[in-house]
Amino acid sequence: QVQLVQSGAEVKKPGASVKVSCQASGYTFIDYYMHWVRQVPGQGLEWMGWINPNSGDTNHAQKFQGRVTMTRDTSIGTAHMELSGLRFDDTAVYYCARDDSLDHWGQGTLVTVSS
Amino acid sequence: DVVMTQSPLSLPVTLGQPASISCRSSQSLVHSDGYTYLHWFQQRPGQSPRRLIYKVSNRDSGVPDRFSGSGSGTDFTLKISRVEADDVGIYYCMQSTHWPPWTFGQGTKVEIK
Repeated sequence: QVQLVQSGAEVKKPGASVKVSCQASGYTFIDYYMHWVRQVPGQGLEWMGWINPNSGDTNHAQKFQGRVTMTRDTSIGTAHMELSGLRFDDTAVYYCARDDSLDHWGQGTLVTVSS
Repeated sequence: DVVMTQSPLSLPVTLGQPASISCRSSQSLVHSDGYTYLHWFQQRPGQSPRRLIYKVSNRDSGVPDRFSGSGSGTDFTLKISRVEADDVGIYYCMQSTHWPPWTFGQGTKVEIK
């Protein structure tokens, strides 16, 4: 069965960077785009971007221009999302989700930005 | 960006009664390939979102048949024929026709009266 397992919770200071990982299993990793979605506590879902695991091509929301980097390691079926220049309002749960229709989701990674 | 507007934002429902959530988009979600990329997600308390319905009306595997999706163009509806306790949570619509970005509705909180 398809599984997306994300890395553990992180606490970061303002201005720092965080890298969240998403390990895929149960399907051919390079066959499906991987998307990243975040959710500020108590709020809705916000799309951040995608990576094509086959080519490495990425696309992201303009809001995160210059701050987000999406990469992948096909040898271990893992996608990564790095967010730099963290601000307090980046405190959120970050999810990876497979395919353009987000058919499977990771368990989420809480990133807390605190001084 | 395509704006997705859900209503109501809060939906108290009696167990066994039907529920209906509306989702409207700021432009038609019909893609040039003929498909409509409107999907519905359920997020139970403390859990990750889960896709229920894809491309307007296709139920995901394991989703009870009391859930149904319908609509076209800019107006879409998620219906629960008989609400059960397990259905409590927040429901989101999302479009992936016009991107970037993928956009979600604000979410509709379903609770039991």
